Amino acid sequence: QQQVKQSPQSLIVQKGGISIINCAYENTAFDYFPWYQQFPGKGPALLIAIRPDVSEKKEGRFTISFNKSAKQFSLHIMDSQPGDSATYFCAASWTGNQFYFGTGTSLTVIP
Amino acid sequence: DSGVTQTPKHLITATGQRVTLRCSPRSGDLSVYWYQQSLDQGLQFLIQYYNGEERAKGNILERFSAQQFPDLHSELNLSSLELGDSALYFCASSPSPGRRDTQYFGPGTRLTVL
Repeated sequence: QQQVKQSPQSLIVQKGGISIINCAYENTAFDYFPWYQQFPGKGPALLIAIRPDVSEKKEGRFTISFNKSAKQFSLHIMDSQPGDSATYFCAASWTGNQFYFGTGTSLTVIP
Repeated sequence: DSGVTQTPKHLITATGQRVTLRCSPRSGDLSVYWYQQSLDQGLQFLIQYYNGEERAKGNILERFSAQQFPDLHSELNLSSLELGDSALYFCASSPSPGRRDTQYFGPGTRLTVL
């Protein structure tokens, strides 16, 4: 059973555009929601994370929007750049527990 | 560079064989996590160790086992290998289980079972 559902599977965006990746979860015990970025041949790297007591967190061009009532969260990449082309994973966990990852979104930013 | 090292980088073996994957956590990190990444299953948590003790178990098969040694490096043992075990295996480390914001992944070991 997939604890975290991620969409879309792949995404193609023009340079300068906004990339949006969505995730949904069921377990209300989750209290930590990170996004990871993975380049080919590399391990995932933490990009940005949010806790459910806030509705939005922004770090540079990357923003997480969190909707607790809908049990959904999303990653927005503003002014997308070719260097952002990578696979993005959302995840969720509760205190001290394992991470449950989404299935990943392959993002391609076209110059 | 995350500071987590994994060896070997690539491993090719045959069905029925046994392999050992090795992970050295970042300096100062006591917690080690193992993940399997396959095309159809995505990134799946296998097992977690903290300071030598098993802390949490995920979707780890009985054919798989792991341990964390006194020097904090960890090994993942995969036995009776099947074609479906072909995947990328990642190790991650963090200072403690509660420090979820500092879980750093290694570069992975690509296992191919022929």
